[in-house]
Amino acid sequence: KNEVEQSPQNLTAQEGEFITINCSYSVGISALHWLQQHPGGGIVSLFMLSSGKKKHGRLIATINIQEKHSSLHITASHPRDSAVYICAVRWDGSGNTGKLIFGQGTTLQVKP
Amino acid sequence: DAGVIQSPRHEVTEMGQEVTLRCKPISGHNSLFWYRQTMMRGLELLIYFNNNVPIDDSGMPEDRFSAKMPNASFSTLKIQPSEPRDSAVYFCASSYRAGGRETQYFGPGTRLLVL
Repeated sequence: KNEVEQSPQNLTAQEGEFITINCSYSVGISALHWLQQHPGGGIVSLFMLSSGKKKHGRLIATINIQEKHSSLHITASHPRDSAVYICAVRWDGSGNTGKLIFGQGTTLQVKP
Repeated sequence: DAGVIQSPRHEVTEMGQEVTLRCKPISGHNSLFWYRQTMMRGLELLIYFNNNVPIDDSGMPEDRFSAKMPNASFSTLKIQPSEPRDSAVYFCASSYRAGGRETQYFGPGTRLLVL
């Protein structure tokens, strides 16, 4: 079993729909990242969370440390949101160096 | 800032050849990471440096892979000899870790094809 599991693996939505991507992890962590990888391959860091919730535009990320679970929400989805969304956790056994463990990614396609 | 710079962007080589991938982190960052991404395995951490010192290389596949960071502004990942199964996209990322806060910034990646 992977230490970081994402669901769903693939997601197709219609433009305007509310989207949720989930990430569960089994190790102790000090932070969780949500990354976005565009079809061209570039990776962008969306959020870094250690507790609570963060919002940026139409994107919202939440984390529940006790349940070892995080969600990424996209409101009013748009075709340009089509990308692979990757959850990564900073394992808290990694000291002060930031080693990340990655989920397998969720491929999102938003149709017009 | 130009962001994390990687070169080359694409590399095609024949098996057995030596491949060197290069990375210039963002100025002022004190951590550098090398990742590999394949369809089968997704993103994997190969090695990371903190203040130019290799901290954890447990992700390096085998002895054919080596990484160096001679100074704060440059790192290399070398594969010698290369094999077809090394074909992947190799990302370099850098971050500045302070007070528990850290965001990694990824380079554009090097797409490697070993024939």
